[in-house]
Amino acid sequence: ILNVEQSPQSLHVQEGDSTNFTCSFPSSNFYALHWYRWETAKSPEALFVMTLNGDEKKKGRISATLNTKEGYSYLYIKGSQPEDSATYLCAFIGGRGSYIPTFGRGTSLIVHP
Amino acid sequence: DSGVTQTPKHLITATGQRVTLRCSPRSGDLSVYWYQQSLDQGLQFLIQYYNGEERAKGNILERFSAQQFPDLHSELNLSSLELGDSALYFCASKPGGAWGETQYFGPGTRLLVL
Repeated sequence: ILNVEQSPQSLHVQEGDSTNFTCSFPSSNFYALHWYRWETAKSPEALFVMTLNGDEKKKGRISATLNTKEGYSYLYIKGSQPEDSATYLCAFIGGRGSYIPTFGRGTSLIVHP
Repeated sequence: DSGVTQTPKHLITATGQRVTLRCSPRSGDLSVYWYQQSLDQGLQFLIQYYNGEERAKGNILERFSAQQFPDLHSELNLSSLELGDSALYFCASKPGGAWGETQYFGPGTRLLVL
């Protein structure tokens, strides 16, 4: 069983604050890392697909970095807005044999106006 | 709206019964993935189909089976249902079979087993 950890489990910030959270995954047999944004009562929405060590991806105020050698990825949100409130999930794809995704439990972000 | 459709939205059934969940992928997508979201387990990958063939298998119970049809829609069959099978079942699709692409999730089917 592959271990994919996300921290913190939950986060409350004020509107305008910048924030970041971590996804830790096995540092061997890496294939890809996916980040998703999951709002309550909706389905997960893909944010980033990261495949190369040192990758940095950006979408508006959200960016992510990847370090496959040490097994972590950071997700940053600059100037948080209430509409950023959601659970942010990462999924590690790797391992031996056929590649299947292992999801972390997510970081729940609440942005207070 | 991701373009992935799932039916039904909600399903209530009894233990021991059998149900079929349906997924229609986005137009042009050849891969379909099934996931289970339960309170205690988080989001779990069940199975992947690519152009009608099973491509990868995750934590799918033997009581569950899936298939992808020539028109690329997929069905997930759950039999001998137990209380613990109550969960939200998502399907997702993407154009190719590799994990370097974005996948698009459907709205999910919420299954309640009583």
